Amino acid sequence: DTGVSQDPRHKITKRGQNVTFRCDPISEHNRLYWYRQTLGQGPEFLTYFQNEAQLEKSRLLSDRFSAERPKGSFSTLEIQRTEQGDSAMYLCASSLWRASNYGYTFGSGTRLTVV
Amino acid sequence: RKEVEQDPGPFNVPEGATVAFNCTYSNSASQSFFWYRQDCRKEPKLLMSVYSSGNEDGRFTAQLNRASQYISLLIRDSKLSDSATYLCVPHGGYSSASKIIFGSGTRLSIRP
Repeated sequence: DTGVSQDPRHKITKRGQNVTFRCDPISEHNRLYWYRQTLGQGPEFLTYFQNEAQLEKSRLLSDRFSAERPKGSFSTLEIQRTEQGDSAMYLCASSLWRASNYGYTFGSGTRLTVV
Repeated sequence: RKEVEQDPGPFNVPEGATVAFNCTYSNSASQSFFWYRQDCRKEPKLLMSVYSSGNEDGRFTAQLNRASQYISLLIRDSKLSDSATYLCVPHGGYSSASKIIFGSGTRLSIRP
């Protein structure tokens, strides 16, 4: 386990379809975060988990978005009824609580294109 | 006021030049500070933490001014490979809600 892995790397979907992304964090990291990034902008916070508990969800996140981390290990992010505005890079990151000076480790992201 | 504000650039400087970026943050409770580097179409990667006393890592120097709530990054003897977007990240620390808010980043382009 050398880092945070995300699957798939790229996803092209038709508007209205549902998509699901997966993130496998660094195994000893108990916090997991989802961010979204569009061109020219910094990563935008979506939600985060500590172990299996979802502790915060961005108000910007519509009801079409849901995230889970059922066993406190990997996480999934689902987008229902995708819209063109959902096209972005979806980044997952993990960190170890009580190690705030260590920052986050990001995965390579899933690039979503909604056509 | 945005939580994190950065000069978006782009900064276009010749190889070997010294370049500096500033970043201001609004949350005075921020305890940890980081600079991340992001290459085009890649994920952000931690460049360095920023300590209260300032710290240096090779050609990179980070400074923190809590009173004025800004963080700076200085790059000396810039290389072509330094071309990237640099993201400033103040963090509330482990006792906080713990999400981190990124600035939009400062784009740096080093020319030969």
